[in-house]
Amino acid sequence: GNSVTQMEGPVTLSEEAFLTINCTYTATGYPSLFWYVQYPGEGLQLLLKATKADDKGSNKGFEATYRKETTSFHLEKGSVQVSDSAVYFCALRRKNTGFQKLVFGTGTRLLVSP
Amino acid sequence: DSGVTQTPKHLITATGQRVTLRCSPRSGDLSVYWYQQSLDQGLQFLIQYYNGEERAKGNILERFSAQQFPDLHSELNLSSLELGDSALYFCASSSGTGDTEAFFGQGTRLTVV
Repeated sequence: GNSVTQMEGPVTLSEEAFLTINCTYTATGYPSLFWYVQYPGEGLQLLLKATKADDKGSNKGFEATYRKETTSFHLEKGSVQVSDSAVYFCALRRKNTGFQKLVFGTGTRLLVSP
Repeated sequence: DSGVTQTPKHLITATGQRVTLRCSPRSGDLSVYWYQQSLDQGLQFLIQYYNGEERAKGNILERFSAQQFPDLHSELNLSSLELGDSALYFCASSSGTGDTEAFFGQGTRLTVV
């Protein structure tokens, strides 16, 4: 079956530190990959996505590259801010059909201190 | 603002009761998904509807049911509630065609006491 594995949190960083949150997946074929972010008290927001191998998704300084050979989609940011504190979810979805659900990882909480 | 509206935002009810959660998808979206987020289970897919028809079922209990109406809004009905049903319930919508992203509502926090 399809599944997503994320690194355990919380990840605690100081402002301006480099961030990596690891995500690996198991899927039939080549799914689309997503990072969603959940700020305290809010719903999930799409952060970035990639739909094929070697694609790089980017948004708000965050980046992730679709690596087929390692079945990974690690999230990175060069310099985190306190406002980036949130829970980050990696997810996959099989392509070419609108009827496939998103499969989420367990989420990784990021805490950024000033 | 994702364009997906969920009501109510918070709900407190007693064990054994029944509640209905409501979701209005983004304008034009035909597909609605329901997810349950709990501390121990993470984000679990419950059920999906597309243009009024059930399309996929996940880890949804028999005590739970859902439907999507002709105006495309959806309701999730939870009955014979137990303490363990306390969770955040999210609705998401997408156009339902091709490889389109899903947009999430802010969720309904259900507390069963």
